[in-house]
Amino acid sequence: QKEVEQNSGPLSVPEGAIASLNCTYSDRGSQSFFWYRQYSGKSPELIMFIYSNGDKEDGRFTAQLNKASQYVSLLIRDSQPSDSATYLCAVEGVEYGNKLVFGAGTILRVKS
Amino acid sequence: EAGVTQFPSHSVIEKGQTVTLRCDPISGHDNLYWYRRVMGKEIKFLLHFVKESKQDESGMPNNRFLAERTGGTYSTLKVQPAELEDSGVYFCASSQMGSYEQYFGPGTRLTVT
Repeated sequence: QKEVEQNSGPLSVPEGAIASLNCTYSDRGSQSFFWYRQYSGKSPELIMFIYSNGDKEDGRFTAQLNKASQYVSLLIRDSQPSDSATYLCAVEGVEYGNKLVFGAGTILRVKS
Repeated sequence: EAGVTQFPSHSVIEKGQTVTLRCDPISGHDNLYWYRRVMGKEIKFLLHFVKESKQDESGMPNNRFLAERTGGTYSTLKVQPAELEDSGVYFCASSQMGSYEQYFGPGTRLTVT
């Protein structure tokens, strides 16, 4: 079992729709959770982080964390073609020290 | 504020040669990390500096890789001698002391032929 799992996609949504990206992790002691957006050939860009159970909203982005289910998600409202990218889920926890453990990423395509 | 910078952006070398990658973290960031992504795989941790000290080098593949961060500012990652399987994108990231939010540089794409 991979430490951080994501559906590779591609996930295709129409412009204006809600895109839902999901991530599960294996280490129950994980404490910090991050979503990075990566455009092709570019560096991963930190877009959201969440430490506590529940929802965290920032503009069109909402991160959701459920530690009991070991599940973290990213919702993108009013999806735009410019949101088309690979979204990487990363986890940090006691077992990992300060390093991030990444999933393979989900490709999102927003169609206009 | 300048972000994390890396040099070179691309490097193509032959098997057996030596390559040195450089990373300049965000000013004031004591934590510096190296990661690598090989084709089709996840980004994987290589090592972590706190200032000039190696905090965790558990991800370094073998002793052909040598990282330094003299003076606690920029860092270099040397691969000597390079092997074909070392090809990939090497990312550097930095964060402030006490923060888990890591900011990534643009990466160095290394191709070993």
